[in-house]
Amino acid sequence: AQSVTQLDSQVPVFEEAPVELRCNYSSSVSVYLFWYVQYPNQGLQLLLKYLSGSTLVKGINGFEAEFNKSQTSFHLRKPSVHISDTAEYFCAVSKTMNRDDKIIFGKGTRLHILP
Amino acid sequence: ETGVTQSPTHLIKTRGQQVTLRCSSQSGHNTVSWYQQALGQGPQFIFQYYREEENGRGNFPPRFSGLQFPNYSSELNVNALELDDSALYLCASSLYDEQFFGPGTRLTVL
Repeated sequence: AQSVTQLDSQVPVFEEAPVELRCNYSSSVSVYLFWYVQYPNQGLQLLLKYLSGSTLVKGINGFEAEFNKSQTSFHLRKPSVHISDTAEYFCAVSKTMNRDDKIIFGKGTRLHILP
Repeated sequence: ETGVTQSPTHLIKTRGQQVTLRCSSQSGHNTVSWYQQALGQGPQFIFQYYREEENGRGNFPPRFSGLQFPNYSSELNVNALELDDSALYLCASSLYDEQFFGPGTRLTVL
């Protein structure tokens, strides 16, 4: 079975500062990894996904994540955050990219942007 | 092309009642998944429907049931509501791989 651990429930960061949101996963098989963002009172939006190939994945809104198989991590980074990045971020894992495979989510990290 | 829509946006029910939540898939998507997101938690998989048949289920009791219609829209039904059923319910539609999420229905059980 797969599981996801997001190490920080909340991360405060000043505007224009860099940020890293941490995610570790556990699985006995190869997995696909995702980061989703949830803005207040909205559904989930896919930020980026790792399927295979290059371990550095670039997503929307200037975010990127690095897959580290030896450390079973998939941390999300942004070099300079904006107030509009205030949201909840979810790391997720799936065994396959098939439509019928469920996605397992972490508990989320709330990103607070300080003025 | 319209995205995934859900109705209603908010709902208040009392314990023991029944509720039906609705989801319209993104155009052309034949698969719908439902998730429950309790406050402060990540979404948890409830079940999935593919071409009107249940195609996988998470760890939820039978009082959580669903339907998918020929136009691929879907319903989530919850019977005998409990206080712990209060949550944001998300549906996601897909065709081949990526799941696209709707804005959710926030259910409050009093």
